[in-house]
Amino acid sequence: NAGVTQTPKFRVLKTGQSMTLLCAQDMNHEYMYWYRQDPGMGLRLIHYSVGEGTTAKGEVPDGYNVSRLKKQNFLLGLESAAPSQTSVYFCASGQGPGRGTGELFFGEGSRLTVL
Amino acid sequence: TQLLEQSPQFLSIQEGENLTVYCNSSSVFSSLQWYRQEPGEGPVLLVTVVTGGEVKKLKRLTFQFGDARKDSSLHITAAQPGDTGLYLCAGDAGNNRKLIWGLGTSLAVNP
Repeated sequence: NAGVTQTPKFRVLKTGQSMTLLCAQDMNHEYMYWYRQDPGMGLRLIHYSVGEGTTAKGEVPDGYNVSRLKKQNFLLGLESAAPSQTSVYFCASGQGPGRGTGELFFGEGSRLTVL
Repeated sequence: TQLLEQSPQFLSIQEGENLTVYCNSSSVFSSLQWYRQEPGEGPVLLVTVVTGGEVKKLKRLTFQFGDARKDSSLHITAAQPGDTGLYLCAGDAGNNRKLIWGLGTSLAVNP
């Protein structure tokens, strides 16, 4: 079972470079999320999507863009990377809060370093 | 703004000891989830509690949802090194599309 797959798992960028993180899920989930996790800050929601073609801002959306062109994929883009974006990024998917248990399934994370 | 406060933030104990982790809020949640995250991995769901006063057991782990559905606790009996990890609580307010996350409790169980 693949579940939620994130690529790449590691990446080093220079300030100002751009990149895209890809998240793919094979559970036919409607909801998908991008979080960043930093020491002492917990999981912070960047953007999320409640279905194909939809996106919405989370707590910390600045400097990031997302797209959900296909139900199974959720892309996170950094147009001009900054050192403050050094973090571990997690993608998650689920049926959505309020539906069933609301459980989220997470990928293994993508560790991004911006120099 | 809805918040979930977890305590303690860090916990280092010896194998065989008992411990309790708390997750508190001033807000009411329709359900509350507990996740465990191991180094280099994403969080994995342990349990979801839905009913006020509900108690769920998962082997040596006991989860309780407060009567008013504003708080929850996780009790581990006879902790083992395999219990080491970051424990996260997350609340579902039910009226929006996002979970509210606590900052986590980092548990280290020493042999």
